[in-house]
Amino acid sequence: DTEVTQTPKHLVMGMTNKKSLKCEQHMGHRAMYWYKQKAKKPPELMFVYSYEKLSINESVPSRFSPECPNSSLLNLHLHALQPEDSALYLCASSQVGVNEQFFGPGTRLTVL
Amino acid sequence: DAKTTQPNSMESNEEEPVHLPCNHSTISGTDYIHWYRQLPSQGPEYVIHGLTSNVNNRMASLAIAEDRKSSTLILHRATLRDAAVYYCIISSNTGKLIFGQGTTLQVKP
Repeated sequence: DTEVTQTPKHLVMGMTNKKSLKCEQHMGHRAMYWYKQKAKKPPELMFVYSYEKLSINESVPSRFSPECPNSSLLNLHLHALQPEDSALYLCASSQVGVNEQFFGPGTRLTVL
Repeated sequence: DAKTTQPNSMESNEEEPVHLPCNHSTISGTDYIHWYRQLPSQGPEYVIHGLTSNVNNRMASLAIAEDRKSSTLILHRATLRDAAVYYCIISSNTGKLIFGQGTTLQVKP
């Protein structure tokens, strides 16, 4: 199984809502990543987890809260988002270190 | 993080080779060169990566200049399914990938 799955595929939320994005992989990877991609732009790294611990936070606002409850799951909790946070949120996983990252299809988020 | 420079767009004819260039003059000695591509409405897909020597896999070849300040991704026979945005990325051993603007490849039948 070389697949990274993300749910939901689409999400619409208001600025006062709390929601979560979910990412799952069963490849035994111990590094997991969140990226944000605006339309016609390249993906931007948000967070890196290594062995279930947060290792890199690219100065992401606290309204985005990542969580890695186990080695297969990665969540992104969303609270009090702004319309400019509307984007495609991509999850990826890999072996720790310099290795091929496997990306999921993304969750398309719209903040009203 | 080392920056990369790629042409905004390139065109190729189907079944012909494609050479996608990338300049990375600020690369450090331990940085790796990665290539990913992103097809429309999909997440990025790994293509190839290397450190110093040229690399080949089933998808492509990576030619790295001797001074490592530039590299070229080679698709040996382009197909319509190779139309995508190709990203050249320089990364350290942290696994952190910083995507540049990429090259949009169009493949004409």
